[in-house]
Parts: sequence; structure tokens; C-alpha cells
Amino acid sequence: DGGITQSPKYLFRKEGQNVTLSCEQNLNHDAMYWYRQDPGQGLRLIYYSQIVNDFQKGDIAEGYSVSREKKESFPLTVTSAQKNPTAFYLCASSIGMGTEAFFGQGTRLTVV
Amino acid sequence: KQEVTQIPAALSVPEGENLVLNCSFTDSAIYNLQWFRQDPGKGLTSLLLIQSSQREQTSGRLNASLDKSSGRSTLYIAASQPGDSATYLCAVRGNQGGKLIFGQGTELSVKP
Repeated sequence: DGGITQSPKYLFRKEGQNVTLSCEQNLNHDAMYWYRQDPGQGLRLIYYSQIVNDFQKGDIAEGYSVSREKKESFPLTVTSAQKNPTAFYLCASSIGMGTEAFFGQGTRLTVV
Repeated sequence: KQEVTQIPAALSVPEGENLVLNCSFTDSAIYNLQWFRQDPGKGLTSLLLIQSSQREQTSGRLNASLDKSSGRSTLYIAASQPGDSATYLCAVRGNQGGKLIFGQGTELSVKP
């Protein structure tokens, strides 16, 4: 089936550790995105990529890093510099930047 | 800066009722608007995409309208069912950059 796969579904991290969230799509989409969702704040854009080997900061990029070495993959690393990393993280993709966006099922990250 | 507002934050209706969810945005220079559904703990499911040149889009019992000049969109759900219970999010994509800007959502509960 075509779609966007995020893994793992739940992730626990100790303070001071880096952690990487996986996002894979088999839709042949060029654009991919990472959003963070917190209760009462809606979705906020962390990073986006319009094409392989290129990515741009979103509105809340501090403490996060990404790579886009393959068209189908856009992993997000939450670094120890992110002061409040506990949140629900959503990955999305679209054919291009202005087209319909499709989302994965999310990863819930908890810092313990 | 584009801001998207959804009112009310929560809505409870009896089964079978027709209902309207509201979305307003401050900058009318949008490329398109997308409505999503989110079930608890899950990712977003795309419902409808309206291009800036369109006035409405329909899918089954759902009808979304767009009035760009007044900065408003509505999502009409006909003959609501308990399975429609979810949070509904609208998001606009601006002409510059193509990033999706989300509202905070309306949590809908349809009572049997």
C-alpha cells in the first residue's frame, strides 16, 4: 500500500540524549515535512524539504536536525539542545510544495 | 503573518444533525486550503483540498466552501454519525513558500 510510515509509534528518551525519528514514504513525493503538535497549540512546522539533498528551517527548527539523502526518507533528529522535546511528531509529504499534503500516523516522544 | 482560527474549539451534536465547522484566516493571499480529520493519538487524514480559484469542494457527506476575500472557509457535514467524532483541522497554504499554516482544530462529538 502507498503511504507514509513513521516509526516508532512511541519513543522514550532520557534527558541529554539525541534521538532520531524515522519517516518513509512510497508515494514518490518530492516534498516532505516535519510538524510538532502540542495540546492547545496546533501543528507547528519544524523543517521541510522540497527535493533530495535540500531542506529548509520551519518556524521552530532550533534543537532539531534533518537530512534528505533519499527521496523516500526524511529522518528527524531531536537533539539535547531542544529544551522541551516531549510532543507528538508528524511527518507529511506532497507531490510538490503547493499540492495536497498527506500525513503519517505520528510518533509520540516522551523525555523521561 | 498568517493566522488561522477555528471556532468553536469543541462541538457536541446529536446523531443525524447537519453541522458547520468554521475556519478563518487573516491573509487572503492563499494558494489553497485543506481540511483534515484527526482521531485521538493518530495522524491527520486529508478530507478536502480547495484551490484559491475554487468556491467549494464536495466529497460524500462533506462540503467545504471558500470565501477568500472574507478570509473564511466552512466545512459542512450532512447527517452526522458517531463515526464522525474527531478533531477537524483546517490549514492554509500561502502564495509564498507554500507552507501549511494550521488552525487549532474543532473537536467534534456526535452523540448516538
